[in-house]
Formats: sequence, structure tokens, C-alpha cells
Amino acid sequence: GAVVSQHPSWVICKSGTSVKIECRSLDFQATTMFWYRQFPKQSLMLMATSNEGSKATYEQGVEKDKFLINHASLTLSTLTVTSAHPEDSSFYICSAARLAGGPGELFFGEGSRLTVL
Amino acid sequence: DAKTTQPPSMDCAEGRAANLPCNHSTISGNEYVYWYRQIHSQGPQYIIHGLKNNETNEMASLIITEDRKSSTLILPHATLRDTAVYYCISADGGSNYKLTFGKGTLLTVNP
Repeated sequence: GAVVSQHPSWVICKSGTSVKIECRSLDFQATTMFWYRQFPKQSLMLMATSNEGSKATYEQGVEKDKFLINHASLTLSTLTVTSAHPEDSSFYICSAARLAGGPGELFFGEGSRLTVL
Repeated sequence: DAKTTQPPSMDCAEGRAANLPCNHSTISGNEYVYWYRQIHSQGPQYIIHGLKNNETNEMASLIITEDRKSSTLILPHATLRDTAVYYCISADGGSNYKLTFGKGTLLTVNP
């Protein structure tokens, strides 16, 4: 099946620093990518929808200035957590929709675990 | 809020069939039923999806009731590696791939 890769898979940073997480579709083009956040023992929460070449659409309650999303190409979307704080520690997961794909053509990355000290 | 309802947990013996139910009584005519699973600390994995007909692939079978208000995911011969949280999601099958995850069912396969 199609592969979506995230990097880094885990990162530890100091409070106040910014962290960038990459999401790549390795063998297909993705016009749309989604970013989720998952806290321990909770379900995935959609943060934003990222469309190639346009601004991301954020879900209610998600600060767009804190979680910067860039989708500059059909194979890469990045999530930057700016001025990270301990409460931003979470498992961040991206998914990518295959260009012109039908139902079921949505693939998830392996996730990136962020720990803010 | 998620539009589906699933039991929070289920147990299954290794080698036996695991039948995971899902209620989606408010599903609309153009919405598909998707099933994903998430093994601990990994990203979700696609299992199967369907609109109104029953579906089968190499991983599982999906049985959708005639009124489409509920469905059952069947893992025919569960293994220990099938232990995971299983999510049932109803969503538009068009170009909008926005999936809203509920709490899912934690399936524990026991030896």
C-alpha cells in the first residue's frame, strides 16, 4: 500500500522552542493532508486540513499561529509547533489523501511523539 | 462529535473470529463506513470501507445492515497482532477525506 512517512518519529525539546514535523507521501501525490493530535489514552483529534498551495483550514479551538502548517508540494506538508510548552506534548499524526483517489485512499503516517520539557 | 457508537472494549481468543459492532444510525446516503485500527503508538491503519454492500478483503469482512444504521467488522481468525483500537467512522466518500475519530473499541486478543 501507499506510504506516508513522518519525521522525526520522536522529538524532545525545551519549552519555548519551535519544532517542525514533516509529513511526506512517498509514492503518491497528495493534494490534501490532515494533521491530528492524540493525547495519551484518547482518540485522534483533527487539528487542520492542509491543501497544497493554499492556506490550511484549522479546526475550532486550534491556534493557527501556534501550529503553522505549510503544504508547499504534492508530497510534503509540515507542521511547526511554535514556542512549544509542556501542554503541547502529544502524538502528532498526519494523513495524506491520494490525488484523484476514491474512498479509502487516505493513508496515515507513523506519528511523531513530541515531548516538551 | 463522532457520529458512530462502538463498545469501548472487547476480548477475543486467538484463532477465533472477532466481530466488532458499530452503530451509525444517522449516516447519510452519500457517507461510507470506514474502519481503521491503531496499534499502540503507531498511526492508524486502513482496514476496509463500504457503502451499502458487504465487503471483504485480505484483512477483514464488513457487514452492513440493509438500513445502513449499523455494521460489523469481522476478523476471521484473530491473532495476537490484531490487538489494537478499532475505529468505525462514517464520512463522505467523495473528495473530502476528513475523518472524525471516535473513541473506538479496544480489541484484546488473548492466547
